[in-house]
Formats: sequence, structure tokens, C-alpha cells
Amino acid sequence: SQQGEEDPQALSIQEGENATMNCSYKTSINNLQWYRQNSGRGLVHLILIRSNEREKHSGRLRVTLDTSKKSSSLLITASRAADTASYFCATDPSGGYNKLIFGAGTRLAVHP
Amino acid sequence: DGGITQSPKYLFRKEGQNVTLSCEQNLNHDAMYWYRQDPGQGLRLIYYSQIVNDFQKGDIAEGYSVSREKKESFPLTVTSAQKNPTAFYLCASSSGQGAVGYTFGSGTRLTVV
Repeated sequence: SQQGEEDPQALSIQEGENATMNCSYKTSINNLQWYRQNSGRGLVHLILIRSNEREKHSGRLRVTLDTSKKSSSLLITASRAADTASYFCATDPSGGYNKLIFGAGTRLAVHP
Repeated sequence: DGGITQSPKYLFRKEGQNVTLSCEQNLNHDAMYWYRQDPGQGLRLIYYSQIVNDFQKGDIAEGYSVSREKKESFPLTVTSAQKNPTAFYLCASSSGQGAVGYTFGSGTRLTVV
């Protein structure tokens, strides 16, 4: 059961531009998390936003959460070629036990 | 360094064989998870364990089995009953306490030959 769906599926930008990825989900959540995956590697946790938070920052990352619309966005500012990766949102459904449900991801390509 | 180790990195299975994927963590995490990832897709939960000697089925448990005899270890066996086992397998762990992120291993790529 995939709860999160990312949009767009793929994104291609130039270095220095901002990249925005969106995630929609279906049920109420405890928190929503964003992960990054380089090709053929494991996932790396980027940021977690709780259901009672609306916005969170970490370095060049900005995450927003709108629980009324059941959606989140990840903004990467001033992108670099090294940001090229797949980005996944994952939701921790309410009433669960930190059992994350992942979306299909957004493939980001940043060109020098 | 604390972390989570998966082995082997690549694994080849013949038809009808069972194979076991290893996952070891030294993070003192209570919870461990196995996910399957198919090309261009997200992660699907196979099994998870919140505590030693206990585990639960995820969304796609058929054809897989696990054990959790030690806190550090959560091996996954892909049995011959799994008809389409070729995939990338990811193990993760978390402290399981409140809102926390997962730590992932580097994955095992399983191919049926």
C-alpha cells in the first residue's frame, strides 16, 4: 500500500536553480520524512516534519506540510550537480509504530 | 562507526533455491525493517521487527521469511516460493521511539539466474 505519491516523477534542472518536489498522501499521519537515494545505494534520511509543524529547514532544504491537503513539498535551493539523486517521501501513519510507507520517488538530475 | 551493514552486495539465485540476505546493525536500535525496491519504484515493506524474537508481516511478505534472535541481526530469507525475487533489497533500522528517521544499509541486489 503506497501512501505517498511524488510529483513530478522526474525533474531536470541546471546548477544554481531551485528544485521543488511534491508529495501527496492519503491518510492521517504522525510525521512525514524525506529521503535521498543515489543510484544503486541505500536511502539517506534528510528531514522529518511532524504533523503539527508547517515548515522546516535544514541547510539548503526547506520542507512544508499541509495536513488539510495531505501534501508536502521539498525545496532544494541553489542546486548542485551532487544533488542528482532520487528523492522519496515517506509517511508514518497515525496509530502506527513508525512503520514508514514510501512513495515512488522523484528522480532529480542537476546539470553543470 | 555506528551503522547498518548488508551483505552480500550482489547475490545470484538459481530457480528453486532459498537464499539468505544478511543485515547487521550496531546502532542499538530496537526496530528493524526489510524493504524491496523494483526499478523506478518506491520501497515496499516485506517484514519488520520492533523487538527481539518478534516480527510482523509487511505488505509483501509472501515468499519471504525472517528471524530476530539478536537485537543486532535481522536476516531475510528469500524462499523458492517467491516467484519474482529479482530486486534490490534494503534493510533499515530505527530506535522505534517517537518520530525518528530510519538508517538504511547499502542494499543487496538479488538476481535470479
